[in-house]
Amino acid sequence: EVQLVESGGGLAKPGESLKLSCVGSGFTFSTYSMNWVRQAPGKGLEWVSSISSGSTYIYYEDSVKGRFTISRDDAKNSLSLQMNSLRAEDTAIYYCARGFWGNRYNFDFWGQGALVTVSS
Amino acid sequence: DIQMTQSPSSLSASVGDRVTITCRASQDINNYLAWYQQKPGEVPKLLIYVAYNLQSGVPSRFSGSGSGTDFALTISSLQPEDVATYYCQKYDSVPFTFGPGTKVDIK
Repeated sequence: EVQLVESGGGLAKPGESLKLSCVGSGFTFSTYSMNWVRQAPGKGLEWVSSISSGSTYIYYEDSVKGRFTISRDDAKNSLSLQMNSLRAEDTAIYYCARGFWGNRYNFDFWGQGALVTVSS
Repeated sequence: DIQMTQSPSSLSASVGDRVTITCRASQDINNYLAWYQQKPGEVPKLLIYVAYNLQSGVPSRFSGSGSGTDFALTISSLQPEDVATYYCQKYDSVPFTFGPGTKVDIK
């Protein structure tokens, strides 16, 4: 059974940093793209960042470019999102999501999400 | 960037009704269009990929259609468990944008 478990959410002040982690199991982690998608309270889904298998390609949504860094450790089946210079508008549930087979960027399995709240 | 729109933003229909949600891209996305269902308090679930392919385990009352810039998700016979918000997503190129969502409930 595919499972994705996020950790690392919490409360941060504007300008501070947080690091999210996601551990995958039940599939060959290294062969899939991995992704972060967020959802602000009561709002829709917003793609944040993606990393291909082998870390060959890394992509960011414009509003997080230069502030967030995605990385993966295939030996640990782990995905990370380092979030710096946090803003109030980064407040959201952050979902870790597996990319579809073939390094595609639609998402077939999702974690339960980690809540990030940015507030002074 | 390519913009994604959905219509309607919400709808209310009776059990057994045929329901269609549309999604439009501002440019051709080569059919790299996915549909997701998010029930209240749950994580999103992939329903359709490449515009019309049904994801494994998804009931056959769900279907996708369209090509180029105009796409649709159809529920052939609405069931109470289909109450949810439905999102389209383009994934041909970055950014992998989601549509704003369509909220479906039972009349």
